[in-house]
Formats: sequence, structure tokens, C-alpha cells
Amino acid sequence: EPEVTQTPSHQVTQMGQEVILRCVPISNHLYFYWYRQILGQKVEFLVSFYNNEISEKSEIFDDQFSVERPDGSNFTLKIRSTKLEDSAMYFCASSPRRDRGNQPQHFGDGTRLSIL
Amino acid sequence: SQQGEEDPQALSIQEGENATMNCSYKTSINNLQWYRQNSGRGLVHLILIRSNEREKHSGRLRVTLDTSKKSSSLLITASRAADTASYFCATVYDRGSTLGRLYFGRGTQLTVWP
Repeated sequence: EPEVTQTPSHQVTQMGQEVILRCVPISNHLYFYWYRQILGQKVEFLVSFYNNEISEKSEIFDDQFSVERPDGSNFTLKIRSTKLEDSAMYFCASSPRRDRGNQPQHFGDGTRLSIL
Repeated sequence: SQQGEEDPQALSIQEGENATMNCSYKTSINNLQWYRQNSGRGLVHLILIRSNEREKHSGRLRVTLDTSKKSSSLLITASRAADTASYFCATVYDRGSTLGRLYFGRGTQLTVWP
């Protein structure tokens, strides 16, 4: 069964450094998402992406965050200048074209981001 | 908050017993979904129930939705040790501008003892 893959599985970065989290969504999916889960807290929506542009973003997704689909397969989340509070598990998800909102989202196993 | 809230926060049962988890939410939804998360892994979609549906089955899973009470329940019958995981409800709200943004609850940690 096709999977969403995320790399790296664990990223350790110094505060203030830039970090790029990578995702390869399922190949025939057209809607892409990033979520994060701070330890012990809820999974929170960051951003949705469709047709090469951001569809919706949450209040968490400030100017320090950006997303990109640089080619036909990768979907990246960049944090420009990391803060301690960015430490979390970041999940990428994708869903197919049909019937938006009424399709399950397929999640990767996440990237654990630790900011020192 | 628009997010769903599950209860109980933790549930511990013996293999073979049924497990019931509940979810409540605040505003009108398009659909409600249940996900499972094994420790250290991503979320796995279990079942999606639309706002015009009342009950849905998938294998040992049974989900109900009561839109008048803004609540849903997930029943796992004849539980197994492998069902040990966190279970989350997630709602998609009835707003045409969103592309299925999911609002998650805090989850129920289910432990099934052999």
C-alpha cells in the first residue's frame, strides 16, 4: 500500500538555525498538509497546500514557516529561525483529489524536531 | 475551541473485552474521523463518518455519530493486545473554504492486556 514518507525521522538543531523537513506524499494525491504535535499535546494543523499554493494556514504558521513543492514528488516545510518552542513531532499528510474534506488523510510517521 | 475532545483520557481493558471511546465537538461538522497512533508512529486513518450518517462499521470497529448531541463514539469489539494505541477523533468543519483541515482531540490511550 502506498505510504507517505518523511525524512529525517529525527532532527536536532540549534536554536536560530533553519531547518527543512521533507515529505514525499502518495503519488496520485493532490492535497497536502503539515501538522505538529508537541509532546503531550494535541495534534495541531499548520497548513494545507493545493495546486502549488497555500490553501489555509493556522495561527501557528507565521512568517518563520514556509512550504514548498519543489518538484513533482517532494513537499517541504521550512522553519527559518527555529525557537525552543518549535520542538515537536511534525507530520505530513496527503489526500486524494476527489470529494475534498470527505477523504481520509494519510499520514507519514513524522519527524521529531528537537531544538537545543 | 472547534476541536474534538475524547473521553476517557485513558482506558485499560483485558483482551476480548470491548472498548468504547467517546468524542464531543462544538460546531457543525462535515465529517468526523477516527485515527489510531501507535507509540512513535504516525496517525493511521480508521474510519470516516459523514454528518448525514449515524453509524458505520469496519471490521471490529463501530462508529456512531449523534449530530444533535455533537458527539461520536468508537467501539472496538473483542479487543486484542495489538489494539493498544492512542485513538483520536478529528473533525472537518462545515466551511466550504477549508480543504479538509482536521481538528484533533487529545486522544484516548487504550491499553489492552493479554
